[in-house]
Amino acid sequence: EVQLQQSGPELRRPGSSVKLSCKASGYSITDYLMHWVKHRPEHGLEWIGWIDPEDGETKYAQKFQSKATLTADTSSNTAYMQLSSLTSEDTATYFCARPPFDYWGQGVMVTVSS
Amino acid sequence: DIRMTQSPASLSASLGETVNIECLASEDIYSDLAWYQQKPGKSPQLLIYNANSLQNGVPSRFSGSGSGTQYSLKINSLQSEDVATYFCQQYNNYPFTFGSGTKLEIK
Repeated sequence: EVQLQQSGPELRRPGSSVKLSCKASGYSITDYLMHWVKHRPEHGLEWIGWIDPEDGETKYAQKFQSKATLTADTSSNTAYMQLSSLTSEDTATYFCARPPFDYWGQGVMVTVSS
Repeated sequence: DIRMTQSPASLSASLGETVNIECLASEDIYSDLAWYQQKPGKSPQLLIYNANSLQNGVPSRFSGSGSGTQYSLKINSLQSEDVATYFCQQYNNYPFTFGSGTKLEIK
């Protein structure tokens, strides 16, 4: 059974960074891209980008080009997203999702507050 | 970026009714459109892909249609478990973009 297990909630100070994980089970992450999506209730869903874990190729939405860094560790079958220079605008729930978006992680809440 | 204009923003209907949700793309997306259902505190669930293909395991009362720039999601025989927010998404062009969502409630 395919599952995407994300790390737990995070509380960070403005200006800091955070690294979120998404551990896949039931398949090899090298077989599919991994997408990341941001959700804020008042702003809806925003696509951040994808990584190809097989070769590390990435594609970002321009808006997140300098905010998010996507990586993957094939030995642990885990994808990661680092968010840098955090502001209140980064407070959101972040999802990983396997294309064609039929499998999603449970989401991780990131709160940025002083 | 392709803008997805979704309507209505909220919808209240009775059990057993049929409801329609619309998405208008700012340019032709060639049926590269998906519909998702999201319940509070949960991740989105794929309902429809390629505008009209039903995802495995999704009840047949859900259906999608449309082409070009205009798409719709139809829910027949509304059930209590259908209470959720519904989103459309285009994946024809980067960045992938989502509609703003339709919150569906039961009268």
